[in-house]
Amino acid sequence: NAGVTQTPKFRVLKTGQSMTLLCAQDMNHEYMYWYRQDPGMGLRLIHYSVGEGTTAKGEVPDGYNVSRLKKQNFLLGLESAAPSQTSVYFCASTPAGGTDTQYFGPGTRLTVL
Amino acid sequence: RKEVEQDPGPFNVPEGATVAFNCTYSNSASQSFFWYRQDCRKEPKLLMSVYSSGNEDGRFTAQLNRASQYISLLIRDSKLSDSATYLCVVNIPGGSYIPTFGRGTSLIVHP
Repeated sequence: NAGVTQTPKFRVLKTGQSMTLLCAQDMNHEYMYWYRQDPGMGLRLIHYSVGEGTTAKGEVPDGYNVSRLKKQNFLLGLESAAPSQTSVYFCASTPAGGTDTQYFGPGTRLTVL
Repeated sequence: RKEVEQDPGPFNVPEGATVAFNCTYSNSASQSFFWYRQDCRKEPKLLMSVYSSGNEDGRFTAQLNRASQYISLLIRDSKLSDSATYLCVVNIPGGSYIPTFGRGTSLIVHP
């Protein structure tokens, strides 16, 4: 049981490049979330999903897209990376309902030059 | 005003001290409250849920005050290993409940 995994762990991009971050969970959780964490800012919600095939915007969705084609996977895409997207990205999942405990992945450290 | 606010600290305390953090929230309809611990550059991990009646887990006590809209975390007999950032999480009603994080409170326990 791996819990929540994130791929890749580190990445450096040039401005304008695109990439996809993968979050996978093997706990059959319904809800999944993508956050970014910047120094002194806490975690801010980018997008979330309440089930397979559904997605919704969080607090800071601009510049990101997501997809949840399979229940266990939640993908975060950056179509044209900008230096302002340099951050640590965390994925999380909860069993069912937004009021449950969240389980986090180890994070992806992204630098955009 | 941010929906969930915490004093960022740092709180610098000696081993053995008792320290308390508060976290205020603005939406009175909020449900489910948690404290998470985050070590440097690692993912947050659940420390404890916060129940209306208050709850205790060893040296840690969490309380909820709905009337004043804040939750608290008390750490007794601080250990060096308690040094970390403590994040409060409040589930705020939207289309579904949205977990919303405070900025975190930094605790440094020194010998």
